[in-house]
This record gives sequence, C-alpha cells and structure tokens, in this order.
Amino acid sequence: ETGVTQSPTHLIKTRGQQVTLRCSSQSGHNTVSWYQQALGQGPQFIFQYYREEENGRGNFPPRFSGLQFPNYSSELNVNALELDDSALYLCASSRDFRNSETQYFGPGTRLLVL
Amino acid sequence: GDSVTQMEGPVTLSEEAFLTINCTYTATGYPSLFWYVQYPGEGLQLLLKATKADDKGSNKGFEATYRKETTSFHLEKGSVQVSDSAVYFCAARGSGNTGKLIFGQGTTLQVKP
Repeated sequence: ETGVTQSPTHLIKTRGQQVTLRCSSQSGHNTVSWYQQALGQGPQFIFQYYREEENGRGNFPPRFSGLQFPNYSSELNVNALELDDSALYLCASSRDFRNSETQYFGPGTRLLVL
Repeated sequence: GDSVTQMEGPVTLSEEAFLTINCTYTATGYPSLFWYVQYPGEGLQLLLKATKADDKGSNKGFEATYRKETTSFHLEKGSVQVSDSAVYFCAARGSGNTGKLIFGQGTTLQVKP
C-alpha cells in the first residue's frame, strides 16, 4: 500500500510569485486535508477536499486555493506569495472526514519565500 | 473556539526514564484525540489515537487515556529510548463536519544516553 506522497520536497520562490504543491493520497482514501506548519509551531488547517469538493476551510485568505482530482490527488495553489508563507506544507489523506477517521500525513513540502 | 494546549518543551530525559507530556483540549462534544510524532525533517506520523471517553490508545510502548472529566489526553511511556527523541503533537478533531485537526504547539523530547 502506497502512503501519502508530496511534491516537490523543497521550493524557493520570491514575493509575489505563485506556487503549486501536489499531493497523492493513500490508496482507498477520498479525503485530502492541507495544513501549514510554521517553524516551531503546530500545523494549521488550510482546507479539506472530499470527493473533489471543498469540505471546509480554515482561517486562510482566498489566495490559498485548491483542487482535488477524480483519482483523489490534490493541489494547493498559493498566489501573490508573502514572506510569511514560508513554512512546511503538509497534506493528509483519510478514508473520509468523519470524527473517528485517522488522517495520514505525507512528508511535506518546505516552501521558502524570499 | 476549539483549542489544544500542550506542556512547553523541550523535555530532556535520560534513557529509561519515565515520560509524561501533558495535553488538554477545549472542544464541542467529544472529539477524537490523537498523538502524532515528527522526526527531524519529516512529516507527521500517527502514534496513537482514542475516539471516545475512557479509551486508551497505545503503540510502541506509548499510552494515552481519553479523560473527559479533565478534558485531557496525556502521553506516557515507561522507559524512553534515544530513538524516541522527536517532536510530539497532540491533536483533537475540530467541531463541525470537516474533520479538521486542531494541533497543540508541539513538545520537543530529547533523550540522552
């Protein structure tokens, strides 16, 4: 069984640029959640996709957007990058979004904005 | 709003010492509770979970019991090893239908030989 994978592993961008991060969910999982983890902090929920529809969003501005594809893989897009967007971006997949389901995390993409 | 509070780190222990990392939560209802571990340069790995009150989650010698009276989910291990050195995150399922996780700030554990 393949786990959650993310690409790229590292990325360097400059302020104002746009970035796309990718995530492949674990086999059999139809729900993908994205989190931002700033250095020394716990992850913060960005949004979640369930069967290609956004299923909830955290306190992030609209320049953070996403997609989920028919194979349940997902993208996170960030426009107009700011210095504070520098963080580890984590993707997690689960069988669905119910209370008891476990979210399995990928290794993350480390984004540096200069 | 929902929140999770963990004890501040870093926690430094000698090998074979007893470990406790405190975690309390504030949430609507009875959320599922989780402990995740993060090794340097890696993503989060599920360590254990509990989905209802009085449940005990356990894995690799770690244990945590869901205490609804004290809204706590403290992580314990009887004898830590150097390989347990990592950052530990307590998380609660947020209220609403998304199943989002609310994380604590993390506790760094360093185990010395």
